[in-house]
Amino acid sequence: DAGVIQSPRHEVTEMGQEVTLRCKPISGHDYLFWYRQTMMRGLELLIYFNNNVPIDDSGMPEDRFSAKMPNASFSTLKIQPSEPRDSAVYFCASSSDRLAGSYEQYFGPGTRLTVT
Amino acid sequence: GQNIDQPTEMTATEGAIVQINCTYQTSGFNGLFWYQQHAGEAPTFLSYNVLDGLEEKGRFSSFLSRSKGYSYLLLKELQMKDSASYLCAPTRGSYIPTFGRGTSLIVHP
Repeated sequence: DAGVIQSPRHEVTEMGQEVTLRCKPISGHDYLFWYRQTMMRGLELLIYFNNNVPIDDSGMPEDRFSAKMPNASFSTLKIQPSEPRDSAVYFCASSSDRLAGSYEQYFGPGTRLTVT
Repeated sequence: GQNIDQPTEMTATEGAIVQINCTYQTSGFNGLFWYQQHAGEAPTFLSYNVLDGLEEKGRFSSFLSRSKGYSYLLLKELQMKDSASYLCAPTRGSYIPTFGRGTSLIVHP
């Protein structure tokens, strides 16, 4: 398996622009997570899905952030409008609870977002 | 909510043993993860403890005390490649980890 795939790997945009981050989870995994990592705040959970349904979005910073999972193999995280304080590395991760006792999350390589 | 406390940075010598401590206060606790993250890379899974006690996996071991809200990661026979951040992540129900800010471990010759 190719692992979790994220695109783009790097994104530089200007304040006010819309940004869309993409994620393809590992085939067969039924959980998908979006995280944001900064030096100041560490690795924060933004939202997670189970079987394509959003379960907990309490970590989403504000209405400028939205996430969708239209099918089991694709998810997007959108920021509109973007602000400089959104600059961070955004990770997508997936996992499956079908493997008894295994709750390991597999992380994608991340998208480094810079908003100027 | 979650309150996770681990040292910001530690240094150790190649070949030595290092213990990275983590204390937490959490609701809905099920177990605790440890992840390793090299600079510029994604976190990778090291261990998941549910029961009290020590679990050994090669050079790495992880300990959990549920009653004390305490865990540690023990790294033996340190190698230069072990230089990385180590993230303590207690769960909050449904096995969803909440990550601390991590401990940056620097291994020097």
